[in-house]
Amino acid sequence: EPEVTQTPSHQVTQMGQEVILRCVPISNHLYFYWYRQILGQKVEFLVSFYNNEISEKSEIFDDQFSVERPDGSNFTLKIRSTKLEDSAMYFCASSEAGSSYEQYFGPGTRLTVT
Amino acid sequence: AQSVTQLDSHVSVSEGTPVLLRCNYSSSYSPSLFWYVQHPNKGLQLLLKYTSAATLVKGINGFEAEFKKSETSFHLTKPSAHMSDAAEYFCVVRGPGNRKLIWGLGTSLAVNP
Repeated sequence: EPEVTQTPSHQVTQMGQEVILRCVPISNHLYFYWYRQILGQKVEFLVSFYNNEISEKSEIFDDQFSVERPDGSNFTLKIRSTKLEDSAMYFCASSEAGSSYEQYFGPGTRLTVT
Repeated sequence: AQSVTQLDSHVSVSEGTPVLLRCNYSSSYSPSLFWYVQHPNKGLQLLLKYTSAATLVKGINGFEAEFKKSETSFHLTKPSAHMSDAAEYFCVVRGPGNRKLIWGLGTSLAVNP
């Protein structure tokens, strides 16, 4: 069964460093998403991406964040200058076009900023 | 604006007894509603979804949920709990024309032998 994959599973970085979180969505999906979950808090929407551009983003998704689909399979989330409060589990998801809108999630990347 | 409230942060049941996880939603539109499950160290898996068809929705692993517009509820149930059901459960809402998912805080389900 097709699945969304994410790498790495755990990333530790120092405050101020840049990190790139990688995702491989399901191959025939056209919409891609990033969500995050800070420990003990709700899962929060960050951004959605379609047709090589951002279709929606949340207030959290400020200038330090960017997304990219560098090739036909990968979807990345870059955090330019990490802060302590960026420590969270980051989930990638993808969905087909069409009315079902069902989003399939990857296993997540745990980002720890020290 | 859409939102969901999961009424219990933690539920504990005995194996073989019924499960009830409660969720109320708020939406100015006819909502799409979902339940996701997260097992320890695993990703988020869709259990079931309501998208304006039948109000009683059946999902995987014997779970089902009933959409009640009059009560703005979408409670998740299972007749008989298994040990493998122990996990975190999330109620999620999305408004029409909007792909963003809005999540509840989650309910941790413990199943005791």
